[in-house]
Amino acid sequence: DAGVIQSPRHEVTEMGQEVTLRCKPISGHNSLFWYRQTMMRGLELLIYFNNNVPIDDSGMPEDRFSAKMPNASFSTLKIQPSEPRDSAVYFCASSSATGKRSPLHFGNGTRLTVT
Amino acid sequence: DQQVKQNSPSLSVQEGRISILNCDYTNSMFDYFLWYKKYPAEGPTFLISISSIKDKNEDGRFTVFLNKSAKHLSLHIVPSQPGDSAVYFCAASGNKLVFGAGTILRVKS
Repeated sequence: DAGVIQSPRHEVTEMGQEVTLRCKPISGHNSLFWYRQTMMRGLELLIYFNNNVPIDDSGMPEDRFSAKMPNASFSTLKIQPSEPRDSAVYFCASSSATGKRSPLHFGNGTRLTVT
Repeated sequence: DQQVKQNSPSLSVQEGRISILNCDYTNSMFDYFLWYKKYPAEGPTFLISISSIKDKNEDGRFTVFLNKSAKHLSLHIVPSQPGDSAVYFCAASGNKLVFGAGTILRVKS
C-alpha cells in the first residue's frame, strides 16, 4: 500500500501566483480531506469529499481557495492568487468511510512558501 | 474559537519515565476522541482513540483517559522512549474532526 501521495513536497512561489497542490488517496478510500497546518492554529480542516463530492467546504478561508476531485484517485487544491499568509504545510488525508471511527491516513504534506 | 486545546506547546521527559499529554475541549457534542503522532517531514499517523462511553483505553505503552465532566483527555506513555519524540495532536469528533494545535514531546536518553 503506497499510502496517500502528495505533490509537490515543497513549493516556493511569489505573491500573486497560482499554486496547485495535488493528492492521490489510498485506493479504495472514499473520503478525502484537505488540512492546513500552521504554528498558531494547528491542523485546520479546509474541505472534505465523500465519493468525489464536496461535503463541507466551510473551512476554505477565502474564494482564492478551491478544491476539486474529478475522480476517486485524484484531488487538487488550488490557491489563486497566492498571498504570503497562505504559507503553511498542506496535508491531504483519506479514510475508508466518513464514520468518526475511521482514522485518517495522511500524506507527507506540501510545504508552501509564498514570498 | 478553538474547540480543542492543547495548552502545553512542548514537554520534555527522561527516557523510561511517564509522559502525560493533555487536551481540553469545549464542545459537549464531541463523542469520539483520537490521538495522532507526527514526525518531522511526515504526515500525522493515528495512535489511539476512545469513545465517550469509556473513560480509559489502553494499547501497549499508550493509554488515553477521558474525563467527560471536565471535558478533558490525556495520553499517557509509559515507559517513554526516545522514538516517542514527536508532535502529538489531540482530535475530537462530532459532525467533523477537530484537531488541537499539538504538543511537542521530547524524550531524552
